Amino acid sequence: SQQGEEDPQALSIQEGENATMNCSYKTSINNLQWYRQNSGRGLVHLILIRSNEREKHSGRLRVTLDTSKKSSSLLITASRAADTASYFCATEGLIQGAQKLVFGQGTRLTINP
Amino acid sequence: DVKVTQSSRYLVKRTGEKVFLECVQDMDHENMFWYRQDPGLGLRLIYFSYDVKMKEKGDIPEGYSVSREKKERFSLILESASTNQTSMYLCASSTFWTYEQYFGPGTRLTVT
Repeated sequence: SQQGEEDPQALSIQEGENATMNCSYKTSINNLQWYRQNSGRGLVHLILIRSNEREKHSGRLRVTLDTSKKSSSLLITASRAADTASYFCATEGLIQGAQKLVFGQGTRLTINP
Repeated sequence: DVKVTQSSRYLVKRTGEKVFLECVQDMDHENMFWYRQDPGLGLRLIYFSYDVKMKEKGDIPEGYSVSREKKERFSLILESASTNQTSMYLCASSTFWTYEQYFGPGTRLTVT
């Protein structure tokens, strides 16, 4: 039951450039989250944006949400080599009283020195 | 900081073996989850639990079972491992009231 779909699947940029990743989803949501996964590791929560928010910032991260288009974008400014990772968007559903997340397939970001 | 630990980073098992993957969280979270991650398929939910001794099937429960005898521990069991269960297994936990999930480092299981 794939909900979020990230675009592009892979992105390679030079250190210092900005990286933009997009996520589209299919059903109405209460919030949308972005996670990062370094190679071979678990996921780390980056940011959550609620359906009544249009933009949110956290350090070098900027997330936008357009509920009319059912899409979100994650912008990483002034990229660093340490930003090399896979990035996933996730949307939630409440099932049997538990919050369940549905993840997209991710964008693989490579920052070249 | 929330910590979610998994019993093994790497595991190699033979076809037909019974496999136990353990997950422990230290933040008194109500909800716990097991996912598997495969290239091109993303993360898929296997089982989740929102309370001790409670379990709910996710998207791909076939071939798996779970156990949650204590709040902090959630075990994934492969009753008879098969090669198509070779994958990265990720455990996560969350509180009932927040949406953020905390993930363990993952167990890369190879079934030969």
